[in-house]
Amino acid sequence: GIQVEQSPPDLILQEGANSTLRCNFSDSVNNLQWFHQNPWGQLINLFYIPSGTKQNGRLSATTVATERYSLLYISSSQTTDSGVYFCAVQLRETSGSRLTFGEGTQLTVNP
Amino acid sequence: KAGVTQTPRYLIKTRGQQVTLSCSPISGHRSVSWYQQTPGQGLQFLFEYFSETQRNKGNFPGRFSGRQFSNSRSEMNVSTLELGDSALYLCASSLLGAGYEQYFGPGTRLTVT
Repeated sequence: GIQVEQSPPDLILQEGANSTLRCNFSDSVNNLQWFHQNPWGQLINLFYIPSGTKQNGRLSATTVATERYSLLYISSSQTTDSGVYFCAVQLRETSGSRLTFGEGTQLTVNP
Repeated sequence: KAGVTQTPRYLIKTRGQQVTLSCSPISGHRSVSWYQQTPGQGLQFLFEYFSETQRNKGNFPGRFSGRQFSNSRSEMNVSTLELGDSALYLCASSLLGAGYEQYFGPGTRLTVT
């Protein structure tokens, strides 16, 4: 099956620092999403980005589908950015909406 | 527009019992998927329902089942609970499924004792 690898697994930053999270995937996809899991467990949508670049405030994401990777950029990090970030992909060949998740990046932003 | 809702939010059950979890998707969304999250296995796909039909199924035993109603609300059932079924169960909805953005509910945290 499709493999989704996220790096780094853990990241510790000082408030105000910038960071880049990476997601590599092994097959062609027709959907790629980035999520932030809050302390209560809910997955918050950050980006739906099967290809191209998007920006939302301090966050931006780029997916290069031909090279099978996506990057999530967090600028001027804040303590509220702490949590787990997941990349999830949907295989192009599937007829349904099954998402395969990476193992996540645990981000800790210290004040 | 209201988001995805899941009930109950927390549940404690005993081994051998069965449990039913409920998910109401975003209005107009027809695809509902279920995921299990555990510390050891991460987030794993259980199944997807679209227009009351199971369209995809993950690699879980037959004790895990689900259904979808004509209003797109979905339920999942776990019979003969085992300790390893303790997990966060997340429901996601999307407009049509494949290729569409998915939105997750707050989850149901199940503890099996």
